[in-house]
Amino acid sequence: RKEVEQDPGPFNVPEGATVAFNCTYSNSASQSFFWYRQDCRKEPKLLMSVYSSGNEDGRFTAQLNRASQYISLLIRDSKLSDSATYLCVVRVDYKLSFGAGTTVTVRA
Amino acid sequence: SQTIHQWPATLVQPVGSPLSLECTVEGTSNPNLYWYRQAAGRGLQLLFYSVGIGQISSEVPQNLSASRPQDRQFILSSKKLLLSDSGFYLCAWSLVREGRTEAFFGQGTRLTVV
Repeated sequence: RKEVEQDPGPFNVPEGATVAFNCTYSNSASQSFFWYRQDCRKEPKLLMSVYSSGNEDGRFTAQLNRASQYISLLIRDSKLSDSATYLCVVRVDYKLSFGAGTTVTVRA
Repeated sequence: SQTIHQWPATLVQPVGSPLSLECTVEGTSNPNLYWYRQAAGRGLQLLFYSVGIGQISSEVPQNLSASRPQDRQFILSSKKLLLSDSGFYLCAWSLVREGRTEAFFGQGTRLTVV
């Protein structure tokens, strides 16, 4: 079983729509959780950390469910610039494990 | 502020040739360092990570090796490249802060083995 699994998508949504997707992780000892964004042929960049109580950063909302071992990302009022691949990241001690990514395409 | 440098940006190498990719971090000390590989259209695979000078952990058996000769320098090497070594190689660093560990990536090296 993969350490981190994501729905690869793609999610094709119109501008202004809301899109949400999940990521599951296998290690119950996972300590920290993040969402990264990767544009085509570029390095991943940190989008936001995911806190136990859930957190928002502008139009982005992240949730953590430790009991079911998944995290989620919701994007409200999608912009064309939100088109990217979103990577779920889980930390156990020093090891950071990445999901394969969920591709989101926002169309005009 | 911290910065991470990775070079070269692109590389085309013949099968059987050696490889050396270098990564350096500025503005921090004793970072955790990582090498990842991303094959075309796929996720990031952790290859090596290091928590200190000379300390290397390997995640998968492969044709590659890593070394950390200095605190802020991480090198990925191969004696003889295979076609399957082609991919996007990313170096990253992280620090534990307030119980969280965020990773920051270099711009990557796109390696094509021909």
